[in-house]
Amino acid sequence: ETGVTQSPTHLIKTRGQQVTLRCSSQSGHNTVSWYQQALGQGPQFIFQYYREEENGRGNFPPRFSGLQFPNYSSELNVNALELDDSALYLCASSSGGVKQETQYFGPGTRLLVL
Amino acid sequence: GESVGLHLPTLSVQEGDNSIINCAYSNSASDYFIWYKQESGKGPQFIIDIRSNMDKRQGQRVTVLLNKTVKHLSLQIAATQPGDSAVYFCAENINNAGNMLTFGGGTRLMVKP
Repeated sequence: ETGVTQSPTHLIKTRGQQVTLRCSSQSGHNTVSWYQQALGQGPQFIFQYYREEENGRGNFPPRFSGLQFPNYSSELNVNALELDDSALYLCASSSGGVKQETQYFGPGTRLLVL
Repeated sequence: GESVGLHLPTLSVQEGDNSIINCAYSNSASDYFIWYKQESGKGPQFIIDIRSNMDKRQGQRVTVLLNKTVKHLSLQIAATQPGDSAVYFCAENINNAGNMLTFGGGTRLMVKP
C-alpha cells in the first residue's frame, strides 16, 4: 500500500451532472497529480497541484478543475459530465514539486456516467 | 503527437522463466522513465525507475534497461511468479515539463503455473 487514499471507490452519475473526487496524499508528500484511465488504456495526465496551485495540465477541457488544500489533500471536480468521462480516476502523490520524483498512486475512483 | 508505446500487448510466460517487457518511446527529450505494475482493480504500483544518465538499473528480481540510441526501454523480471501477473506500463517524463508522466498502452503479463 502506498498510503495514498481516494474516495469514493465507485460512483455512478448521469450525463450533465457534476462530480467531486477526493485524494489524500502520502505522508510527507506535497504534490498531487490526477490521471484519467479509460478501460484498457494507460493513464492520461489531467493536472498536477503543488503548493495549492495548478502546476501543469494535460489535454483536458476546463470543466475538469481541481483544488489542493494546506494539508496537501486534493479534489478533482468535473462539471457537465459526458459519457466519455466514464473511467478510473487516479491520483498520485510525490514529494518533489516540480522536480522529477517517484509518483505513488492511490487505488482510484471508478466513475460511471450514464 | 509523441507518446510512449509498447511492442507486445500480451506476454505469456511459464512460472520460473524470465520475462522481458519492451517499450518504445519517441520523445528524445524524455529523461526519466518509470515502470508500473497494475493489478486488476488497483492503482499502478511503482516497480523501478531509471534516469537518462544510466543504461541499467537493478532492483529485487527486476532490471530496467535503457537504450537511448534507439529510444527503447525494457523491464526484465527474473524467475517470474504467478503474483507477477498484471498489466505493466512504462511511463516517461521530461525534466522541464514538471512531473507529468506520459504512459504507454500497457502489456499484460500472464504467468502459467
